[in-house]
Amino acid sequence: GQSLEQPSEVTAVEGAIVQINCTYQTSGFYGLSWYQQHDGGAPTFLSYNALDGLEETGRFSSFLSRSDSYGYLLLQELQMKDSASYFCAVSSMDTGRRALTFGSGTRLQVQP
Amino acid sequence: DGGITQSPKYLFRKEGQNVTLSCEQNLNHDAMYWYRQDPGQGLRLIYYSQIVNDFQKGDIAEGYSVSREKKESFPLTVTSAQKNPTAFYLCASIGRSNTGELFFGEGSRLTVL
Repeated sequence: GQSLEQPSEVTAVEGAIVQINCTYQTSGFYGLSWYQQHDGGAPTFLSYNALDGLEETGRFSSFLSRSDSYGYLLLQELQMKDSASYFCAVSSMDTGRRALTFGSGTRLQVQP
Repeated sequence: DGGITQSPKYLFRKEGQNVTLSCEQNLNHDAMYWYRQDPGQGLRLIYYSQIVNDFQKGDIAEGYSVSREKKESFPLTVTSAQKNPTAFYLCASIGRSNTGELFFGEGSRLTVL
Protein backbone atom coordinates (compact mmCIF):
# COMPACT_ATOMS: atom_id res chain seq x y z
CA GLY A 1 0.00 0.00 0.00
CA GLN A 2 0.87 3.63 0.05
CA SER A 3 1.22 6.00 2.98
CA LEU A 4 2.34 9.56 3.49
CA GLU A 5 3.20 11.36 6.72
CA GLN A 6 3.31 15.09 7.29
CA PRO A 7 2.93 17.23 10.43
CA SER A 8 -0.63 18.14 11.27
CA GLU A 9 0.01 21.78 12.19
CA VAL A 10 2.72 24.41 11.84
CA THR A 11 2.69 27.97 13.14
CA ALA A 12 5.00 30.75 11.96
CA VAL A 13 5.13 34.53 11.88
CA GLU A 14 4.82 36.84 8.93
CA GLY A 15 8.08 37.21 7.00
CA ALA A 16 9.54 33.99 8.36
CA ILE A 17 10.51 30.77 6.57
CA VAL A 18 8.72 27.49 7.21
CA GLN A 19 9.46 23.96 6.04
CA ILE A 20 6.77 21.27 5.78
CA ASN A 21 8.14 17.76 5.61
CA CYS A 22 6.62 14.73 3.94
CA THR A 23 7.74 11.12 4.10
CA TYR A 24 6.14 8.46 1.96
CA GLN A 25 6.01 4.74 1.36
CA THR A 26 5.04 3.48 -2.06
CA SER A 27 6.18 1.38 -4.96
CA GLY A 28 6.25 2.48 -8.56
CA PHE A 29 7.01 6.03 -7.50
CA TYR A 30 6.68 8.70 -10.16
CA GLY A 31 6.84 11.96 -8.24
CA LEU A 32 5.81 14.10 -5.30
CA SER A 33 3.39 16.99 -5.62
CA TRP A 34 2.33 19.75 -3.26
CA TYR A 35 -1.07 21.40 -3.08
CA GLN A 36 -2.44 24.35 -1.15
CA GLN A 37 -6.00 24.48 0.09
CA HIS A 38 -7.71 27.40 1.76
CA ASP A 39 -10.68 26.71 4.01
CA GLY A 40 -13.75 25.85 1.95
CA GLY A 41 -11.85 25.86 -1.32
CA ALA A 42 -10.39 23.34 -3.70
CA PRO A 43 -6.72 22.32 -3.67
CA THR A 44 -4.46 24.21 -6.03
CA PHE A 45 -1.25 22.85 -7.45
CA LEU A 46 2.03 24.28 -6.16
CA SER A 47 4.87 22.08 -7.38
CA TYR A 48 6.00 18.68 -8.59
CA ASN A 49 9.29 16.85 -8.12
CA ALA A 50 10.11 13.73 -10.10
CA LEU A 51 13.87 13.91 -9.66
CA ASP A 52 16.07 14.55 -6.64
CA GLY A 53 16.78 18.14 -5.82
CA LEU A 54 15.20 21.50 -5.28
CA GLU A 55 12.57 23.14 -7.47
CA GLU A 56 11.96 26.84 -6.92
CA THR A 57 8.85 28.76 -7.88
CA GLY A 58 8.82 32.26 -6.46
CA ARG A 59 8.52 32.18 -2.69
CA PHE A 60 7.86 28.45 -2.69
CA SER A 61 10.43 25.70 -3.15
CA SER A 62 10.05 21.94 -3.07
CA PHE A 63 12.69 19.30 -2.46
CA LEU A 64 12.78 15.58 -3.12
CA SER A 65 15.10 12.79 -2.07
CA ARG A 66 13.96 9.56 -3.73
CA SER A 67 16.49 7.44 -1.84
CA ASP A 68 15.11 8.71 1.49
CA SER A 69 11.45 8.71 0.36
CA TYR A 70 11.31 12.24 1.67
CA GLY A 71 10.41 15.67 0.45
CA TYR A 72 9.61 19.08 1.80
CA LEU A 73 7.90 22.30 0.87
CA LEU A 74 9.70 25.50 1.80
CA LEU A 75 7.75 28.72 2.09
CA GLN A 76 9.74 31.95 2.34
CA GLU A 77 8.73 35.47 3.25
CA LEU A 78 5.52 34.21 4.74
CA GLN A 79 2.40 36.28 4.22
CA MET A 80 -0.93 36.13 6.02
CA LYS A 81 -2.54 34.76 2.85
CA ASP A 82 -0.29 31.69 3.12
CA SER A 83 -2.42 30.48 6.03
CA ALA A 84 -3.91 27.32 4.56
CA SER A 85 -3.57 23.55 4.52
CA TYR A 86 -0.75 22.03 2.52
CA PHE A 87 -0.89 18.50 1.16
CA CYS A 88 1.83 16.35 -0.24
CA ALA A 89 0.73 13.76 -2.78
CA VAL A 90 2.49 10.81 -4.35
CA SER A 91 2.05 9.94 -7.99
CA SER A 92 2.68 6.25 -8.50
CA MET A 93 1.72 3.10 -10.30
CA ASP A 94 1.51 1.16 -7.06
CA THR A 95 -1.73 -0.54 -8.02
CA GLY A 96 -1.53 -0.23 -11.77
CA ARG A 97 -3.34 3.07 -11.81
CA ARG A 98 -2.28 6.56 -12.41
CA ALA A 99 -3.59 8.48 -9.45
CA LEU A 100 -2.41 10.70 -6.69
CA THR A 101 -2.47 9.58 -3.07
CA PHE A 102 -2.68 12.47 -0.66
CA GLY A 103 -1.31 12.96 2.81
CA SER A 104 -3.56 14.18 5.62
CA GLY A 105 -2.37 17.74 5.26
CA THR A 106 -0.46 20.30 7.31
CA ARG A 107 -2.37 23.28 8.57
CA LEU A 108 -0.16 26.37 8.44
CA GLN A 109 -1.11 29.34 10.56
CA VAL A 110 0.75 32.56 9.85
CA GLN A 111 0.66 35.06 12.70
CA PRO A 112 1.31 38.82 12.49
CA ASP B 1 -11.57 29.69 -19.81
CA GLY B 2 -10.77 26.00 -19.52
CA GLY B 3 -11.55 24.26 -16.28
CA ILE B 4 -13.68 21.87 -14.31
CA THR B 5 -17.23 22.69 -13.30
CA GLN B 6 -18.91 20.90 -10.45
CA SER B 7 -22.55 21.23 -9.49
CA PRO B 8 -24.28 21.71 -7.23
CA LYS B 9 -21.96 23.52 -4.86
CA TYR B 10 -24.13 22.69 -1.86
CA LEU B 11 -26.57 19.82 -1.58
CA PHE B 12 -28.77 18.56 1.21
CA ARG B 13 -30.17 15.07 1.15
CA LYS B 14 -32.38 12.98 3.31
CA GLU B 15 -31.18 9.59 4.43
CA GLY B 16 -32.05 6.86 1.98
CA GLN B 17 -31.93 9.08 -1.10
CA ASN B 18 -29.49 8.78 -3.97
CA VAL B 19 -27.88 11.95 -5.24
CA THR B 20 -25.80 12.64 -8.34
CA LEU B 21 -22.97 15.16 -8.43
CA SER B 22 -22.06 16.61 -11.78
CA CYS B 23 -18.51 17.12 -13.08
CA GLU B 24 -17.77 18.62 -16.49
CA GLN B 25 -14.38 19.56 -17.92
CA ASN B 26 -13.33 21.36 -21.09
CA LEU B 27 -9.61 20.75 -20.70
CA ASN B 28 -9.61 17.81 -23.12
CA HIS B 29 -8.16 15.62 -20.38
CA ASP B 30 -8.50 11.87 -20.62
CA ALA B 31 -8.21 11.03 -16.92
CA MET B 32 -10.76 12.15 -14.36
CA TYR B 33 -11.06 11.47 -10.63
CA TRP B 34 -13.43 11.79 -7.72
CA TYR B 35 -12.06 12.45 -4.25
CA ARG B 36 -13.80 12.71 -0.91
CA GLN B 37 -12.56 15.02 1.84
CA ASP B 38 -13.74 14.93 5.44
CA PRO B 39 -13.09 17.86 7.81
CA GLY B 40 -9.42 18.19 8.70
CA GLN B 41 -8.51 15.24 6.53
CA GLY B 42 -6.76 14.58 3.27
CA LEU B 43 -8.33 13.53 0.00
CA ARG B 44 -9.36 9.93 -0.53
CA LEU B 45 -9.90 8.47 -3.99
CA ILE B 46 -13.39 7.19 -4.74
CA TYR B 47 -13.31 6.39 -8.46
CA TYR B 48 -11.17 7.26 -11.43
CA SER B 49 -11.47 6.99 -15.19
CA GLN B 50 -8.56 7.04 -17.59
CA ILE B 51 -10.64 6.85 -20.76
CA VAL B 52 -14.23 7.06 -21.96
CA ASN B 53 -16.40 4.05 -21.08
CA ASP B 54 -13.88 2.81 -18.55
CA PHE B 55 -13.53 3.48 -14.82
CA GLN B 56 -11.92 1.87 -11.82
CA LYS B 57 -12.63 1.77 -8.10
CA GLY B 58 -10.45 3.79 -5.81
CA ASP B 59 -9.82 3.28 -2.12
CA ILE B 60 -13.34 4.05 -0.87
CA ALA B 61 -15.72 3.11 -3.72
CA GLU B 62 -18.37 1.35 -1.62
CA GLY B 63 -21.69 3.18 -1.78
CA TYR B 64 -20.72 5.20 -4.86
CA SER B 65 -21.17 4.75 -8.60
CA VAL B 66 -19.91 6.59 -11.66
CA SER B 67 -20.25 6.65 -15.43
CA ARG B 68 -18.02 7.96 -18.22
CA GLU B 69 -20.08 8.13 -21.37
CA LYS B 70 -18.39 11.29 -22.63
CA LYS B 71 -14.84 12.53 -22.29
CA GLU B 72 -16.05 15.78 -20.77
CA SER B 73 -18.34 14.32 -18.12
CA PHE B 74 -17.78 12.13 -15.05
CA PRO B 75 -20.82 12.20 -12.74
CA LEU B 76 -20.74 10.62 -9.29
CA THR B 77 -23.80 9.07 -7.65
CA VAL B 78 -23.84 8.81 -3.90
CA THR B 79 -26.20 5.95 -3.15
CA SER B 80 -28.19 5.16 -0.05
CA ALA B 81 -25.67 2.39 0.62
CA GLN B 82 -23.03 4.96 1.53
CA LYS B 83 -23.14 5.00 5.31
CA ASN B 84 -21.53 8.38 5.97
CA PRO B 85 -22.06 10.48 2.85
CA THR B 86 -21.73 13.93 4.43
CA ALA B 87 -18.47 15.25 3.01
CA PHE B 88 -16.79 17.58 0.53
CA TYR B 89 -16.53 15.96 -2.91
CA LEU B 90 -13.87 17.04 -5.38
CA CYS B 91 -13.66 16.19 -9.04
CA ALA B 92 -10.31 16.47 -10.79
CA SER B 93 -8.63 15.76 -14.08
CA ILE B 94 -5.08 15.40 -15.30
CA GLY B 95 -3.50 15.87 -18.68
CA ARG B 96 -1.13 13.53 -20.44
CA SER B 97 2.00 15.36 -19.37
CA ASN B 98 3.40 13.71 -16.28
CA THR B 99 3.68 16.81 -14.13
CA GLY B 100 1.61 15.55 -11.24
CA GLU B 101 -0.77 18.49 -11.62
CA LEU B 102 -4.36 17.68 -10.89
CA PHE B 103 -6.89 20.31 -11.91
CA PHE B 104 -9.75 20.50 -9.43
CA GLY B 105 -13.30 21.71 -9.60
CA GLU B 106 -14.59 23.93 -6.81
CA GLY B 107 -16.17 20.98 -5.03
CA SER B 108 -19.62 19.90 -3.93
CA ARG B 109 -20.52 19.89 -0.27
CA LEU B 110 -23.06 17.21 0.53
CA THR B 111 -24.94 17.18 3.82
CA VAL B 112 -27.24 14.34 4.79
CA LEU B 113 -30.01 15.42 7.13
